[in-house]
Amino acid sequence: DIQMTQSPSTLSASVGDRVTISCRASQSISDWLAWYQQKPGQAPQLLIYKASSLESGVPSRFSGSESGTEFTLTISSLQPDDFATYYCQQYNSSPWTFGQGTKVEIK
Amino acid sequence: EVQLVESGGGLVQPGGSLRLSCAASGFTFSSYSMNWVRQAPGKGLEWVSHISRSSSTIYYADSVKGRFTISRDNVKNSLYLQMNSLRDDDTAVYYCARRTPLGGMDVWGQGTTVIVSS
Repeated sequence: DIQMTQSPSTLSASVGDRVTISCRASQSISDWLAWYQQKPGQAPQLLIYKASSLESGVPSRFSGSESGTEFTLTISSLQPDDFATYYCQQYNSSPWTFGQGTKVEIK
Repeated sequence: EVQLVESGGGLVQPGGSLRLSCAASGFTFSSYSMNWVRQAPGKGLEWVSHISRSSSTIYYADSVKGRFTISRDNVKNSLYLQMNSLRDDDTAVYYCARRTPLGGMDVWGQGTTVIVSS
């Protein structure tokens, strides 16, 4: 099975900060990676698919990039609505594994 | 409005069975593959199962293989998850989610809660 390792587990940041979250795959997944945002008590929301494609309706301050098996979610200027937990997920091969999540907290 | 609504969750004893349903509306259900994803209390997301548009391709997580069965009815616009031999660690909120052709899951239900406890 492909393991997805996210870092950090928790991130403290302020409104306006540039935030980066990393996700490393244990083997090649090409660009078959998605990023999701989840707020307490809500279902996840798709932000990025195919590593760097922005889902329709998602603010442009969110972006995704890849370098080999390393993937990055960047929030260019953190907004109050962005404090949440973020997950990466690979869908290159079954089982389609999620990272363990990164909680973005208010500093 | 594009919508997924799960139902069928509840309290069940270890070793018991439960059938979850997911009703789709606002889109052509038969044009999309579908997934179940779960989240144990205070934990992260865990992908459970996938079914293709025509039910020809089905995948399961190792943790549920042999115990859970995914199915769909494209006439009734519904997705199902039959869960047998339930264990304590199956306790979770279960979400159904639509998978886009490029792989992300873009529409999610609100979730249904399954509690396995004696």
